[in-house]
Amino acid sequence: AQSVSQHNHHVILSEAASLELGCNYSYGGTVNLFWYVQYPGQHLQLLLKYFSGDPLVKGIKGFEAEFIKSKFSFNLRKPSVQWSDTAEYFCAVNRRYSGAGSYQLTFGKGTKLSVIP
Amino acid sequence: KAGVTQTPRYLIKTRGQQVTLSCSPISGHRSVSWYQQTPGQGLQFLFEYFSETQRNKGNFPGRFSGRQFSNSRSEMNVSTLELGDSALYLCASSLAELRRGGGTDTQYFGPGTRLTVL
Repeated sequence: AQSVSQHNHHVILSEAASLELGCNYSYGGTVNLFWYVQYPGQHLQLLLKYFSGDPLVKGIKGFEAEFIKSKFSFNLRKPSVQWSDTAEYFCAVNRRYSGAGSYQLTFGKGTKLSVIP
Repeated sequence: KAGVTQTPRYLIKTRGQQVTLSCSPISGHRSVSWYQQTPGQGLQFLFEYFSETQRNKGNFPGRFSGRQFSNSRSEMNVSTLELGDSALYLCASSLAELRRGGGTDTQYFGPGTRLTVL
């Protein structure tokens, strides 16, 4: 089945550690890629997105992601995490469905990040 | 600019009842999508509305329905509630229909309605 996979369910890091969250998708063809974040008690917010061009995308709060087409991956990175980055991170893929041209955003199951001060 | 608002924020219902959730998109946004979020299944797409028409539908039974009004506000209805319908229901809005621009439009999410079915 076509899907979006986030391999780590829960990641625990100390402040200042580097972060990399994996995201793989199984769709062929053109895709649009997103990372969303959900801070405790808050709604989903867009971190960054990739449509085309430079495969290294920079987002808010020092996050970046790299699209590697050959690996069907869109991993999220941050060089040095802070306690305030504690949240749940969702990778999402928007792709065309069927001849009707409809698009549908499909999410991974999410990765919980806990940053220890 | 105000964000996406959803009402009510919390709801408790019993099996067999029906429920209606409301979503007001960001001003000027015309596309509204609904998602169900559960611990087991994560975020799953329910449907998208644009110009008062359902444009796309996910894999949910017919008990889940929705509509959109001329001011782009949207409602979602779940009839004959089951225990498994307990979830956080999220609404997201975007400027244009999701298929415009090749699906590149960003969706902005509301805080959700937490539905508990007893």
